[in-house]
Amino acid sequence: EAQVTQNPRYLITVTGKKLTVTCSQNMNHEYMSWYRQDPGLGLRQIYYSMNVEVTDKGDVPEGYKVSRKEKRNFPLILESPSPNQTSLYFCASSLFYGQGGEKLFFGSGTQLSVL
Amino acid sequence: DAKTTQPPSMDCAEGRAANLPCNHSTISGNEYVYWYRQIHSQGPQYIIHGLKNNETNEMASLIITEDRKSSTLILPHATLRDTAVYYCIAFRYGGATNKLIFGTGTLLAVQP
Repeated sequence: EAQVTQNPRYLITVTGKKLTVTCSQNMNHEYMSWYRQDPGLGLRQIYYSMNVEVTDKGDVPEGYKVSRKEKRNFPLILESPSPNQTSLYFCASSLFYGQGGEKLFFGSGTQLSVL
Repeated sequence: DAKTTQPPSMDCAEGRAANLPCNHSTISGNEYVYWYRQIHSQGPQYIIHGLKNNETNEMASLIITEDRKSSTLILPHATLRDTAVYYCIAFRYGGATNKLIFGTGTLLAVQP
């Protein structure tokens, strides 16, 4: 089944403790992206990747890192989480990005709470 | 990229067609209209997109006016599971934002 898999689904952590949220897609998609969703602010893009080893900042990259060493994986790293990073996070992928190809497939989300 | 305007909420009776409007009066000729939906706290789901012609797939139909200033997403036989926030997005790859921007959308409540 074609899907974007995020783990974990729920995560509670404390300030400053490094964490990684994993994202994997099985559709051989070139484009992957991370979003966060907060009440009243909608979905905001954190980072995106057009292909392996190609990543770029989105709208709210501060406090986050990403890597794209393999086509299928795009982990989100919080080196020193803070309470303002408490949010619902989504990973998304698309076969390609451009020329009307922006058909994004989203993961089921990771609810992160930083205490 | 053009700004889109959607009503904040709509109701629809189960089994009836749900018609969700979207205004995009400043859309440029090469901007696509995309529709996504988000069922409570799940990841958004792609529904359909189009440029100028009407489009239909297994989920919905997209009707774009001839002047392209507005569009309507039609769910032909709404079910309770169609209750969700529906996002209308005008987007052109390589444009000012170069990304799909999800606004606040329309909360569609399908009533039994």
